[in-house]
Amino acid sequence: QSVLTQPPSASGTPGQTVTISCSGSNSNIGSKLVYWYQQVPGTAPKLLISKTDRRPSGVPDRFSGSKSGNSASLVISGLRSEDEGDYYCAAWDARLSGRNLFGTGTKVTVL
Amino acid sequence: QVQLVESGGGLVKPGGSLRLSCAASGFTFGIFYMGWVRQAPGRGLEWVSYMSSSSLTISYADSVKGRFTISRDNAENSLYLQMDSLRAEDTATYYCVRHDGDNYPDYWGQGTLVTVSS
Repeated sequence: QSVLTQPPSASGTPGQTVTISCSGSNSNIGSKLVYWYQQVPGTAPKLLISKTDRRPSGVPDRFSGSKSGNSASLVISGLRSEDEGDYYCAAWDARLSGRNLFGTGTKVTVL
Repeated sequence: QVQLVESGGGLVKPGGSLRLSCAASGFTFGIFYMGWVRQAPGRGLEWVSYMSSSSLTISYADSVKGRFTISRDNAENSLYLQMDSLRAEDTATYYCVRHDGDNYPDYWGQGTLVTVSS
């Protein structure tokens, strides 16, 4: 079971801004880097945001990441149809026992 | 460019074994941590295991500890996952992943499906 909680779904119309939250604790988000992954249906996950707020080469600047306390956020600005898919946050947990990495996932629908 | 190609998936009976392989190319395999992530049908991502470049550091999820063994061959640019005592709940697509310098996955293979069923 994941200790990083995300809303199960989010949606918006093309051009809108969608924000996905990722809630954790002191032992993970509060003290570790946060990464975000995008999984378009039928494909493998792809790295979207690294080191909490950095975009890897090739990722549009419509995607941005941030963190405050024990929560992190992914913002998708100017939503496009190709953004539809599942989004996962990730943060290692300092507790070795039962450690997990990924959040529960959020399905983004473009209306 | 970075390429990770998994193989070895298939149908296996409960209690059986399977060995997954991952062929890596496009980067210096021997200096990166590598790992496995799985995804059950219709479910989210679950971290399984990772191994350091030197094979000295290994970590497993509680759900597979004692049943799965990760290994690598830096000379062959290959990563492996030996899966024993398989259970129905191990049914998933298994992804080979490269870890970045902060030990998070940065590149993913296309995945290989493992089905555990009688």
